Amino acid sequence: KNEVEQSPQNLTAQEGEFITINCSYSVGISALHWLQQHPGGGIVSLFMLSSGKKKHGRLIATINIQEKHSSLHITASHPRDSAVYICAVIVTDKLIFGTGTRLQVFP
Amino acid sequence: EPEVTQTPSHQVTQMGQEVILRCVPISNHLYFYWYRQILGQKVEFLVSFYNNEISEKSEIFDDQFSVERPDGSNFTLKIRSTKLEDSAMYFCASTWAPWQGSSPLHFGNGTRLTVT
Repeated sequence: KNEVEQSPQNLTAQEGEFITINCSYSVGISALHWLQQHPGGGIVSLFMLSSGKKKHGRLIATINIQEKHSSLHITASHPRDSAVYICAVIVTDKLIFGTGTRLQVFP
Repeated sequence: EPEVTQTPSHQVTQMGQEVILRCVPISNHLYFYWYRQILGQKVEFLVSFYNNEISEKSEIFDDQFSVERPDGSNFTLKIRSTKLEDSAMYFCASTWAPWQGSSPLHFGNGTRLTVT
């Protein structure tokens, strides 16, 4: 069983829709990252969370440490949001990655 | 904005050969990492490096792998005798303080290693 589970694995949406990607983990963590991987392979850190909620533009990330769950929301989705979104948890000095959610937003 | 740079972007090597993947982390960062992603699979942790020594490594990081920070700017990953299954995208990353929310993780663009 993966220590970090994401759902859904694949997601398609129409431009403008509200998107939610979920991440559950089974280990004790010090923090959690939401990452974005574009088709070319490059990885960008979107958020690092250890509690509560963070917002950056149209992106919102929340974490519930007690429930070991985090969500990434995208408001007013746009085709340029199409990418793989990866949840990764920090356990001591390493990151454990989820399998990613492939998002495609159509015009 | 400063960035993590990796060279080469693509490396092709024959099985059994040694390869060195190079990374230049962001200059004031203290923690350095190597990850890999086999095609179609999830990203996997290889090793973390702090204060000139390995702080943690995964089961993947066996005796065939080594890391070095030879000159205070470069951070290298060496694979001594490559195997076909080492073919993957290798990402370097760095951060100033991994536990601080104000210190995000910065990734390089990756080196695609192809072992033939």
